Amino acid sequence: GEDVEQSLFLSVREGDSSVINCTYTDSSSTYLYWYKQEPGAGLQLLTYIFSNMDMKQDQRLTVLLNKKDKHLSLRIADTQTGDSAIYFCARSGTGANNLFFGTGTRLTVIP
Amino acid sequence: DTEVTQTPKHLVMGMTNKKSLKCEQHMGHRAMYWYKQKAKKPPELMFVYSYEKLSINESVPSRFSPECPNSSLLNLHLHALQPEDSALYLCASSQDGLAGLYFGPGTRLTVT
Repeated sequence: GEDVEQSLFLSVREGDSSVINCTYTDSSSTYLYWYKQEPGAGLQLLTYIFSNMDMKQDQRLTVLLNKKDKHLSLRIADTQTGDSAIYFCARSGTGANNLFFGTGTRLTVIP
Repeated sequence: DTEVTQTPKHLVMGMTNKKSLKCEQHMGHRAMYWYKQKAKKPPELMFVYSYEKLSINESVPSRFSPECPNSSLLNLHLHALQPEDSALYLCASSQDGLAGLYFGPGTRLTVT
């Protein structure tokens, strides 16, 4: 939905950290998610965070949630060329049976 | 088995054809979804089935007709489509929606 926004493009050098940002307006969401989509493929669930948490780490991925500012970020450490993809943030709907996706950020990793 | 499968991968159909997209999951998930994704856009929800009953229909035209024969299978029947219906059609499943949706690889549909 239009209430989940992301910047469209991000370029980083291989080995650097990437930070992909997302803002949303509906604070009622219980969960927030990050998905990765490679060209011509479906969406891969990377990680998710419950709304009462402010950080979650999973190997190279760190999710930060600032609930007051309605801001979610995904940090990818030691970015590799295989990380090049479109990254979507998404929030759960009130019925928990739908996701509202952001516009997607195209991450390009430069060798 | 932790994947959602979709067939066919690619489909080209004329505006008078009838075809079906198929989706299968064996994770025991009770909710299944159809999403439509146009190029360079996020996925848009079409239908949700919960416990084999249609629970959400996002005002999708009747030329798209979903069917859930059992808890593992989800079909999308297509009839009299328009060229603007060309898109990637994604199936997904979830246990309860909160822990995330698991997507299949999609069917790339072209309507000529």
